[in-house]
Amino acid sequence: QVQLVQSGAEVKKPGASVKVSCKASGYTFTTYAMHWVRQAPGQRLEWVAWINADNGNTKNSQKFQGRVTITRDTSASTAYMELSSLRSEDTAVYFCARALRAYDYTNPAFNYWGQGTLVTVSS
Amino acid sequence: EIVLTQSPGTLSLSPGEGATLSCRASQSVSSSYLAWYQQKPGQAPRLLIYGASSRATGIPDRFSGSGSGTDFTLTISRLEPEDFAVYYCQQYGSSVVFGQGTKLEIK
Repeated sequence: QVQLVQSGAEVKKPGASVKVSCKASGYTFTTYAMHWVRQAPGQRLEWVAWINADNGNTKNSQKFQGRVTITRDTSASTAYMELSSLRSEDTAVYFCARALRAYDYTNPAFNYWGQGTLVTVSS
Repeated sequence: EIVLTQSPGTLSLSPGEGATLSCRASQSVSSSYLAWYQQKPGQAPRLLIYGASSRATGIPDRFSGSGSGTDFTLTISRLEPEDFAVYYCQQYGSSVVFGQGTKLEIK
């Protein structure tokens, strides 16, 4: 069965960076795009970025331009999201989410999600 | 960017009743690229409906989606105790945007 397992909670100081991992299993990693979505406390879900797990191409929301880096390690079936220059407003649960359809490199619905990683930014 | 507005903010109903949740877009959603998710506290969202009206794998048929253009509806017939949660709509025709959610609570 498809599973996305994320790394554990992080506490960071303002200005620092955080890197969250998402290990996929139960399907061929390179045939699906992997997206990252965050949810600040009490807020709506917010799309962050995605990666084509096959060729490594990425796209991110303009809101995170210059601060977010998405990578993947195909040998480990793992995607990574690194967010830099952290500020208090970045405190949120970060989810990885798999696109509904294989080879869908547009904007998709998401049928599998990781369990979420809480990133807390506090001095 | 398309803005999604969900209503009502909170819906109080009893098990066995039917629920109607609304999602309105600020612009037309292309090709009915509209999805609905259920989220329970401390959990990731769960895909219920995609393409405005297609049920995701394993979703009971008491969940149904309808609508097009700017107005979409999630209908839950005969509420079960496990249906009480927060529901989000998402458009994915142009970028990815979520609504602010509707909390479905037990009356």
